[in-house]
Amino acid sequence: ETGVTQTPRHLVMGMTNKKSLKCEQHLGHNAMYWYKQSAKKPLELMFVYSLEERVENNSVPSRFSPECPNSSHLFLHLHTLQPEDSALYLCASSERGEQYFGPGTRLTVT
Amino acid sequence: AQSVTQLGSHVSVSEGALVLLRCNYSSSVPPYLFWYVQYPNQGLQLLLKYTTGATLVKGINGFEAEFKKSETSFHLTKPSAHMSDAAEYFCAVTLSGAGSYQLTFGKGTKLSVIP
Repeated sequence: ETGVTQTPRHLVMGMTNKKSLKCEQHLGHNAMYWYKQSAKKPLELMFVYSLEERVENNSVPSRFSPECPNSSHLFLHLHTLQPEDSALYLCASSERGEQYFGPGTRLTVT
Repeated sequence: AQSVTQLGSHVSVSEGALVLLRCNYSSSVPPYLFWYVQYPNQGLQLLLKYTTGATLVKGINGFEAEFKKSETSFHLTKPSAHMSDAAEYFCAVTLSGAGSYQLTFGKGTKLSVIP
């Protein structure tokens, strides 16, 4: 596989479930990102992992928990989500400058 | 801190007409600027970028953009719209200094192409 891959592409979960989103980059980049894209809202940066920094958007609720075991893999662990968390979750990677995005996971919380 | 403003959340053009999507930025240091395109239910795809050098940059699918420092603008153009150009377009900026990993995105402009 090439580029940035995300699994699953679609996820429906109840508010009491626990699930994880997975992202893998095959570009040799050293930084990875999670974004949330909701209808009619700007793209929201949730987390950044790089060799030099880990950045968390302080407005992201604790029910979202990132994990970056190495420079190629990034996870987003989800638990006790709310309906307003339904959105497209995008992963991206970069070396420096431009970011390359995966296709996203469409999450629906019921 | 940097910011991006995209004028017009929705732009409609006729097939074959000029496409012009506007982007203005603010940045305390020389910026790196990007345009991305997003088709429905897909991720963002890089169209073109400006880092240094020539201020007119060409991208994929016949798009180009010009960096104008005096106007703090980076507008996206295409001479002749095609039906396949219908998508959402995002302008983004990052700082050119070392350690800059974060992109700041505009709110996006949805382009419709009328046959």
